[in-house]
Amino acid sequence: EDQVTQSPEALRLQEGESSSLNCSYTVSGLRGLFWYRQDPGKGPEFLFTLYSAGEEKEKERLKATLTKKESFLHITAPKPEDSATYLCAVQAAGTYKYIFGTGTRLKVLA
Amino acid sequence: DARVTQTPRHKVTEMGQEVTMRCQPILGHNTVFWYRQTMMQGLELLAYFRNRAPLDDSGMPKDRFSAEMPDATLATLKIQPSEPRDSAVYFCASGPTPLSGSYNEQFFGPGTRLTVL
Repeated sequence: EDQVTQSPEALRLQEGESSSLNCSYTVSGLRGLFWYRQDPGKGPEFLFTLYSAGEEKEKERLKATLTKKESFLHITAPKPEDSATYLCAVQAAGTYKYIFGTGTRLKVLA
Repeated sequence: DARVTQTPRHKVTEMGQEVTMRCQPILGHNTVFWYRQTMMQGLELLAYFRNRAPLDDSGMPKDRFSAEMPDATLATLKIQPSEPRDSAVYFCASGPTPLSGSYNEQFFGPGTRLTVL
């Protein structure tokens, strides 16, 4: 069964304290892995797509990496405005369906 | 700035009433998805469409939920009759046609927060 597990469930960081969020997955043929950011009361906002193991994508203080079993979202020198829930999803080959993880709630303290 | 729009943003209703949620996908996108988000379950896929045709609605309770795309600019999700356990945030997302061998990102609307009393 296709499955996505995110850890930790919640993370509190001081401003400037770098860290990583994990997304472990099992899927029958990975078509794509997606990272989203969700702010309270809003819909998920697309961040990155990763297609194959070894790939990396960067956007401002965020960098996403992918292996055959997991993805990491690295946050470098975070700011309070990076506080949000970060969601990971996988898409299996031959389907349009996303399987979402339950997310990591990130709080960055000033 | 192309965005997915959803109406209403908030809906409070009583058990047994019919609820209709609407979504306008991004112009040119031909895949549309309906999700439900709760604290306990996270994001659950209810149904998705390609070129207005339903491809999968296995995530929906068939006896009370229905989803349609009357035209390319409108998707609807209907609950009849509604129950308290349907209280959740319902998201619509749309995506472009994937080229062969490529992928399609999904872009989400702001959601409809449904409360069934």
